[in-house]
Amino acid sequence: KNEVEQSPQNLTAQEGEFITINCSYSVGISALHWLQQHPGGGIVSLFMLSSGKKKHGRLIATINIQEKHSSLHITASHPRDSAVYICAEISSGSARQLTFGSGTQLTVLP
Amino acid sequence: GAVVSQHPSRVICKSGTSVKIECRSLDFQATTMFWYRQFPKQSLMLMATSNEGSKATYEQGVEKDKFLINHASLTLSTLTVTSAHPEDSSFYICSASPDQNYGYTFGSGTRLTVV
Repeated sequence: KNEVEQSPQNLTAQEGEFITINCSYSVGISALHWLQQHPGGGIVSLFMLSSGKKKHGRLIATINIQEKHSSLHITASHPRDSAVYICAEISSGSARQLTFGSGTQLTVLP
Repeated sequence: GAVVSQHPSRVICKSGTSVKIECRSLDFQATTMFWYRQFPKQSLMLMATSNEGSKATYEQGVEKDKFLINHASLTLSTLTVTSAHPEDSSFYICSASPDQNYGYTFGSGTRLTVV
């Protein structure tokens, strides 16, 4: 069974700090999603990646397929970045089901 | 592009009644949609895979007679919680993807409270 582990579970940072959230998975995958969930529950897809690195604004996501590990980085963090960040692996095969990590609650203090 | 609309966003119902939640892909066709449930402070859990024109595939432990899924068109899947009980109170959210090269888009979620 695919398992997705995220760390840390909770993270508090000061505005401007560089933030890293880690994600490990247990079996081969098709791709991996980084998601952002706001307090109201809505989920936004930040990245989908299957290799290398992607960047969007202050967000950077990397993945190492050999090590089955991915990281999400936030540069120059801001209070509006406060949310739950979730990594989710997309299974290989036609089903393409998502298996979610437990999430990281990020709080950025002004 | 790749927008998924879900409604209602919030519903309160009495025990024993049924509630229907709709999930629509607005700008793409989705032969497959996924329904998830999330309890407070917990991760999303897949309930079922909704397949257009055929029966849904339910995850182990999810009662198919209680959580009725209908995917009658390429843009609409519905989840009906039948004979709702307070323990069904949760956050329900759907997702879909236009194709394999595109990531998943999520609906805005439905917060169900059964009183």
